[in-house]
Amino acid sequence: EVQLLESGGGLVQPGGSLRLSCVVSGFTFSSYAMSWVRQAPGKGLEWVSGISGGGGSTYYADSVKGRFTISRDNSKNTLSLQMNSLRAEDTAVYYCAKDRSPIVGASTFESWGQGTLVTVSS
Amino acid sequence: QSVLTQPPSASGTPGQRVTISCSGSSSNIGRNIVNWFQQLPGTAPKLLIYSTNQRPSGVPDRFSGSKSGTSASLAISGLQSEDEADYYCAAWDDNLNGWVFGGGTKLTVL
Repeated sequence: EVQLLESGGGLVQPGGSLRLSCVVSGFTFSSYAMSWVRQAPGKGLEWVSGISGGGGSTYYADSVKGRFTISRDNSKNTLSLQMNSLRAEDTAVYYCAKDRSPIVGASTFESWGQGTLVTVSS
Repeated sequence: QSVLTQPPSASGTPGQRVTISCSGSSSNIGRNIVNWFQQLPGTAPKLLIYSTNQRPSGVPDRFSGSKSGTSASLAISGLQSEDEADYYCAAWDDNLNGWVFGGGTKLTVL
């Protein structure tokens, strides 16, 4: 059974940093691209960032480019999102999502975690 | 403002057929596959349709997807009360080099 478990969310002040993690099980992690998708309270889904199965290709939404960094450790079945210079508008539930392909953008988000809440507020 | 445009709401009675539209452009829906997700209240999104018209195992054949030009549609036939949820379309955008979502459609079963 595919499982994705996010952690690392919490309350952080504007301008602060936070690191999210997603530990996965039930599939060969390195064979699939992964993404982070967020959902602000009461709002729709917004893709944040994606990384290829091997980790060599990364992609970012314009809204987070230069502030967020996605990475993966295939030996530890872990996806990460380093978030710096956080803003109030980054407040959201952050989901990690498994792709059906090793290439970002080639297929779809096949499985989702339950999400972790990030709140940016003073 | 979402890159893909969906109606904010839709409704139908049990047993009815409803359609949800998703409008994009040549850089996303016009060139790439479309995916649909269902989000029940308080839960994570779930893949409903992938590659424009394919259903993952476990998704009833009451759900179907299609695409024409720069627009896509999700059809739900034999509407049931448990179909009440938010529905999102998504596609890769070649210009933005990233995934784009529709704003979501809240489906109400009357």
